[in-house]
Amino acid sequence: GENVEQHPSTLSVQEGDSAVIKCTYSDSASNYFPWYKQELGKGPQLIIDIRSNVGEKKDQRIAVTLNKTAKHFSLHITETQPEDSAVYFCAASRRGSQGNLIFGKGTKLSVKP
Amino acid sequence: DGGITQSPKYLFRKEGQNVTLSCEQNLNHDAMYWYRQDPGQGLRLIYYSQIVNDFQKGDIAEGYSVSREKKESFPLTVTSAQKNPTAFYLCASSTRSQGSTEAFFGQGTRLTVV
Repeated sequence: GENVEQHPSTLSVQEGDSAVIKCTYSDSASNYFPWYKQELGKGPQLIIDIRSNVGEKKDQRIAVTLNKTAKHFSLHITETQPEDSAVYFCAASRRGSQGNLIFGKGTKLSVKP
Repeated sequence: DGGITQSPKYLFRKEGQNVTLSCEQNLNHDAMYWYRQDPGQGLRLIYYSQIVNDFQKGDIAEGYSVSREKKESFPLTVTSAQKNPTAFYLCASSTRSQGSTEAFFGQGTRLTVV
């Protein structure tokens, strides 16, 4: 089955710097890769996603890149702000898996003012 | 307001008791899921349901049970057979489209065994 590895587990950056979180997946049939942001005591919220027919997607300060050959995808946050501090999860699923997402273990991002 | 509602937000259980966590959605989604989250861990799938009156075990179904009598509702029962039930429980729903598996999460229920 699918396995998703996420690194780093914690990340601390200065406000205004960029943050990069990386994930690798094992199932080459996976074709959907969402990223979730989870604030303390709340449920995860989808912030961006990418499908396997696209190499990069951007939404304001957030971008996701996908390398299908290497089976890894990354989240890039530019011009970080204190409100970006949260736990970020990557996930993967494949067509026909009935929507089941396999999650990475999360990255705790701290943005210092 | 459309969304997923989990209740209660906090739940305390005595050892040996069964408890039921509620999950309701008004997004008209076919699929619903229950995940368990432990500190420093990712989300692990307990049960999922793609359609009313049908559900499947996830990776950690032992000690849990579910029902799907209505499209909008997917309650999770944590039974006394679950040896370590203290955790944060998350419910999610998604459309059944094969091309999109965007999942929306509720705000979670924190269960503590006392």
